[in-house]
Amino acid sequence: NAGVTQTPKFRVLKTGQSMTLLCAQDMNHEYMYWYRQDPGMGLRLIHYSVGEGTTAKGEVPDGYNVSRLKKQNFLLGLESAAPSQTSVYFCASSRARGYSGANVLTFGAGSRLTVL
Amino acid sequence: DAKTTQPNSMESNEEEPVHLPCNHSTISGTDYIHWYRQLPSQGPEYVIHGLTSNVNNRMASLAIAEDRKSSTLILHRATLRDAAVYYCILRDYGGNKLVFGAGTILRVKS
Repeated sequence: NAGVTQTPKFRVLKTGQSMTLLCAQDMNHEYMYWYRQDPGMGLRLIHYSVGEGTTAKGEVPDGYNVSRLKKQNFLLGLESAAPSQTSVYFCASSRARGYSGANVLTFGAGSRLTVL
Repeated sequence: DAKTTQPNSMESNEEEPVHLPCNHSTISGTDYIHWYRQLPSQGPEYVIHGLTSNVNNRMASLAIAEDRKSSTLILHRATLRDAAVYYCILRDYGGNKLVFGAGTILRVKS
């Protein structure tokens, strides 16, 4: 049981390049989330999804796009990377409201992105 | 989302109990109190959550004030492996997301 898997774990980009971070969960969770964490700070919510085909903005959505084409996958895209997007990105998933365990988020190990 | 206030850092001795406080004076009646922790170079992990009553699990205990405006996470015997950032978060029952604050850095001395 892998839980939440993020790929890649590390990536270095040049300003203006694009890339996609992949999050995959094998727990049949309805909700998925993307957070970013900058040095010495807490996590900030970028986007989240409450089900296949649906997405919503979090606290810091600008410069990012997301897609949830399959229930088990949540993709985070950077169309034109900027140095300000250098960060560690965490994906998480949880069950939906009303289900047992709905209050528990399971996080991935993180993806460290550096934009030069 | 209602906000929480936590001390920036705390220090504890190994094998001693640790009480991590959290203030949430604007908590609403449907807000659950959640605690997560983040070990160095890892993603956050769930610790415990509660609504009104005190809660215990294998990791910790959660003591909630009668007026629910504050809570305390209790680690009964701190170990070096408990050194982490601890986040206290409020989540509405109908809410779809968790919003993290800066958390408390817990240092454990041997």
